[in-house]
Amino acid sequence: QTVVTQEPSLTVSPGGTVTLTCASSTGIVTSGFYPNWFQQRPGQAPRTLIYSTKNKHSWTPARFSGSVLGDKAALTLSGAQPEDEADYYCLLYYGGVWVFGGGTKLTVL
Amino acid sequence: EVQLAESGGGLVQPGGSLRVSCSASGSALSSFAMFWVRQAPGKGLEYVAAISNDGRSTYYADPVKGRFTISRDNSENTLYLQMTSLRPDDTAMYYCVRSMGAIMTVWDFWGQGTLVTVSS
Repeated sequence: QTVVTQEPSLTVSPGGTVTLTCASSTGIVTSGFYPNWFQQRPGQAPRTLIYSTKNKHSWTPARFSGSVLGDKAALTLSGAQPEDEADYYCLLYYGGVWVFGGGTKLTVL
Repeated sequence: EVQLAESGGGLVQPGGSLRVSCSASGSALSSFAMFWVRQAPGKGLEYVAAISNDGRSTYYADPVKGRFTISRDNSENTLYLQMTSLRPDDTAMYYCVRSMGAIMTVWDFWGQGTLVTVSS
């Protein structure tokens, strides 16, 4: 069974920068896994921030960016705002199977 | 503005069945693949099922394979998830999600979810 691993929790200072990562139990994560990143604020439905590693939707704040760093997919937040406090999930594609990471609880403090 | 609205959730006894729906406005679903994703109370997101834009291809996560059926009616702009042999661990908020791309890897809009509770 494939497992996708994220940091359980991270803390960032207002205005600071933080990188969330997404690792696969199968090995190196590449763009071929088409990583998506989602934000879920407390009590709300998720929303998609990033698709296909680094592409943003029209509603994605510019301070969010996606990439592959080393052997993992990554979501970087530059200039954190209080409203960025949320749970963040990555999603990887394994040829007809989609697997979510366990999520990262990001605190802005 | 694309909006997805789930409905049909509720309380069902273990072993029972339920069908949840997802209707779309502001978008013709026929051009898009669709997903169901669930979230158990206090837990993370879990992929449940996917269907191609024309309904010819369907995919299921192992925990629901053989019990759940995803389908769509493009003329009604609606997505369905038929759930049978329900278990307490199927209790979750069920979200529908729209997706683009030939291999269904570009996710965009989410609905607000419908809550399914399996309990006696």
